[in-house]
Amino acid sequence: EVQLVESGGGLVQPGGSLRLSCVASGFSFSSYWMTWVRQAPGKGLEWVASMKQDGSSIHYVDSVKGRFTISRDNAQSSLYLQMNSLRAEDTATYYCASTNTFDYWGLGTLVTVSS
Amino acid sequence: QAVLSQPSSLSASPGASASLTCTLRSGINVGTYMIYWYQQKAGSPPQYLLKYKSDSDKQQGSGVPSRFSGSKDASANAGILLISGLQSEDEADYYCMIWHSSASVFGGGTKLTVL
Repeated sequence: EVQLVESGGGLVQPGGSLRLSCVASGFSFSSYWMTWVRQAPGKGLEWVASMKQDGSSIHYVDSVKGRFTISRDNAQSSLYLQMNSLRAEDTATYYCASTNTFDYWGLGTLVTVSS
Repeated sequence: QAVLSQPSSLSASPGASASLTCTLRSGINVGTYMIYWYQQKAGSPPQYLLKYKSDSDKQQGSGVPSRFSGSKDASANAGILLISGLQSEDEADYYCMIWHSSASVFGGGTKLTVL
């Protein structure tokens, strides 16, 4: 059974930092692209960042370029999102999703940016 | 103009069929894209339904009933998710997605009400 479990969310002040983690199981993590997608409260889905299996290709949505960094540890079947210079508009539930089809999703972790 | 446009809401009766559209921005040809569809029920993460490029290039998500199907309307430059034999459990938000210029783009979502 495929499982994706996110963690690391919480309340942070504007300008602060958080590091999200996603631990994967039930599939060959090292063989697939992985992605972060977020959803602001009551809003739609927004793609954030994707990373190729070996890290040789990374893509970000324009609004997070220079502030967020996606990374992975294939040995630990883990995906990360380092978020710096956080803004109120980054408030959302952050999901990790598997492959470039987004065929499996975690339950998400809530990030709230507020003073 | 958004890359992908979806009607914000749609209502249909149990047992009927619902056709959800995902219109691509002018200048982006639907024929060249794989269209991905996701279902999100209240309080839950999104779930992958299917992807459709053509009748010979499509995939149903694991465990997704065959009453969910994809197609395209080239004249409208749109992808279509058809749900036949509507059930109350189909009430949810539905999102389309494409990969465009190395970025994933989601439509704004359609809230389907079954009543």
